[in-house]
Amino acid sequence: DTEVTQTPKHLVMGMTNKKSLKCEQHMGHRAMYWYKQKAKKPPELMFVYSYEKLSINESVPSRFSPECPNSSLLNLHLHALQPEDSALYLCASKPLQGGNEQFFGPGTRLTVL
Amino acid sequence: GENVEQHPSTLSVQEGDSAVIKCTYSDSASNYFPWYKQELGKGPQLIIDIRSNVGEKKDQRIAVTLNKTAKHFSLHITETQPEDSAVYFCAARTSYGKLTFGQGTILTVHP
Repeated sequence: DTEVTQTPKHLVMGMTNKKSLKCEQHMGHRAMYWYKQKAKKPPELMFVYSYEKLSINESVPSRFSPECPNSSLLNLHLHALQPEDSALYLCASKPLQGGNEQFFGPGTRLTVL
Repeated sequence: GENVEQHPSTLSVQEGDSAVIKCTYSDSASNYFPWYKQELGKGPQLIIDIRSNVGEKKDQRIAVTLNKTAKHFSLHITETQPEDSAVYFCAARTSYGKLTFGQGTILTVHP
């Protein structure tokens, strides 16, 4: 299994809703990432987990709350989002030893109304 | 922090022509330079990468060159095909592991 899966593919939520994005990989990668990508822009790093511990938070607002419950799973909990948070949210993973490539998932297209 | 500049922002070629995309980076400590292809509705996919101790790497129709002194690297696609149409991102990774992306190039290959 050489892929990163993300669910849901699309999500529409109101500003008062609470929702979660899910990312899963079974490649044994111990680094996992959340990126935000606006239309026609490059991915922007949000969070990095190494060995299931948060190692980088790129000054992301607290309405985004990441969680890494085990080495295969990464969640992004969303609460009280703003319309400007609408974007494609990408998950990626990478081996911490012996590899350079970050493998990206297909993303979740989030719309905040 | 690292800053990556990518040019051109759009590139239109005829099928069979070559395409070249160029990137410059600012942090001399960056040591890994991947190129990603992103098709509509999909996540970025690695197409080729190069480490700082190598000057050139080739994989079939795709090649990457790196000039460490000038801090620039380029993607070369030969014999372009319509299915090469996509957005291409270069990136640079610093020694502490963060990938910084260029702004992207929209490549269109006309049949």
